[in-house]
Amino acid sequence: DQQVKQNSPSLSVQEGRISILNCDYTNSMFDYFLWYKKYPAEGPTFLISISSIKDKNEDGRFTVFLNKSAKHLSLHIVPSQPGDSAVYFCAAYLLDAGNKLTFGGGTRVLVKP
Amino acid sequence: DAGVTQSPTHLIKTRGQQVTLRCSPISGHKSVSWYQQVLGQGPQFIFQYYEKEERGRGNFPDRFSARQFPNYSSELNVNALLLGDSALYLCASSLGGSNQPQHFGDGTRLSIL
Repeated sequence: DQQVKQNSPSLSVQEGRISILNCDYTNSMFDYFLWYKKYPAEGPTFLISISSIKDKNEDGRFTVFLNKSAKHLSLHIVPSQPGDSAVYFCAAYLLDAGNKLTFGGGTRVLVKP
Repeated sequence: DAGVTQSPTHLIKTRGQQVTLRCSPISGHKSVSWYQQVLGQGPQFIFQYYEKEERGRGNFPDRFSARQFPNYSSELNVNALLLGDSALYLCASSLGGSNQPQHFGDGTRLSIL
């Protein structure tokens, strides 16, 4: 039972343009959603999070949008830079379940110079 | 400050053997979680420990066990290794409170022959 899904396995975008990564979830009880970035041979790096009571959170070039009615969140990266080329994972957790993160399958982003 | 450190970085074992993976959390972090990442998929939750007590367990067989030491470091043990245990094993630490993002180490790549 995949509670968190990233339906786009890959994304290619031109440098300077916007990258939009999407994530869908099935468990309406999730309290927090997070995005992680992963380079090869490194562990995931935390990017940004959003509480289920918010609909937007922004940090520099990264903005996460949450649509609870659609059980959908997205990560916008603008402007995209070549160093953003990585695999991006969305994840969610329940406060009652402690630190258990449920991850999506990831989206590989390639930013072309 | 040092991040989450894991050892070894790579390991090759044969079926039926046993393995111990080690993790040192970020200084001050009392919560340690373990994840398994199979190629092409997102990380899957295995265990969480907080203050040396197990706080969560994922859907993994009893061949998987873990513990946390008084200095908050942790070990993950896997017995009777199967080919399907080949994966990247990630350790993450956090302060342990709500909305505290987990910070990941670079993982141990385990290959079963």
